[in-house]
Amino acid sequence: ETGVTQSPTHLIKTRGQQVTLRCSSQSGHNTVSWYQQALGQGPQFIFQYYREEENGRGNFPPRFSGLQFPNYSSELNVNALELDDSALYLCASSLIDPMDGQFFGPGTRLTVL
Amino acid sequence: KQEVTQIPAALSVPEGENLVLNCSFTDSAIYNLQWFRQDPGKGLTSLLLIQSSQREQTSGRLNASLDKSSGRSTLYIAASQPGDSATYLCAVGYNFNKFYFGSGTKLNVKP
Repeated sequence: ETGVTQSPTHLIKTRGQQVTLRCSSQSGHNTVSWYQQALGQGPQFIFQYYREEENGRGNFPPRFSGLQFPNYSSELNVNALELDDSALYLCASSLIDPMDGQFFGPGTRLTVL
Repeated sequence: KQEVTQIPAALSVPEGENLVLNCSFTDSAIYNLQWFRQDPGKGLTSLLLIQSSQREQTSGRLNASLDKSSGRSTLYIAASQPGDSATYLCAVGYNFNKFYFGSGTKLNVKP
């Protein structure tokens, strides 16, 4: 069974740029959720993707967008980067009915200068 | 608005102590609650998952309880070890697609 993987591990961007983060879900899972974790805080829910469509969204602006592919992998795109976007970005995979909970990847550390 | 609070924010104990971490939530209409461990700069490792219909779950030295009516969950760690040092997070799930985390409890177990 393959776990959740994310790429890249670390990323440095400058303010105003755009970034794409990638996530491969755990084998057998059809749902991917993305979270932003600022230093010293708990993760905040960005959105969830199921059947290649957004299936729930937290309190994040439209410049945060995503995609899910037929193999259930997913991308998180952030446009017009701001300094406050610096954080650890986590993806979690699950079944749409998360009876077994969510399983997290190692995260991508994004630094915006 | 759903809010999740974890107390204490930090805890330092000598090795061998039993300890309790607390998680409280404002909206009791939860779907499930999951406890995670996070090592510095790393992702989250699932420890225990409690469905809304359950009262507790156990795994080894860990026991998690859930009281929906009072909006509380506790994580009990027995006979703590230095390797237990990490940040512990609780996540409360509503429906299938809304999950809210607390800010975590940072645990340090001293040898």
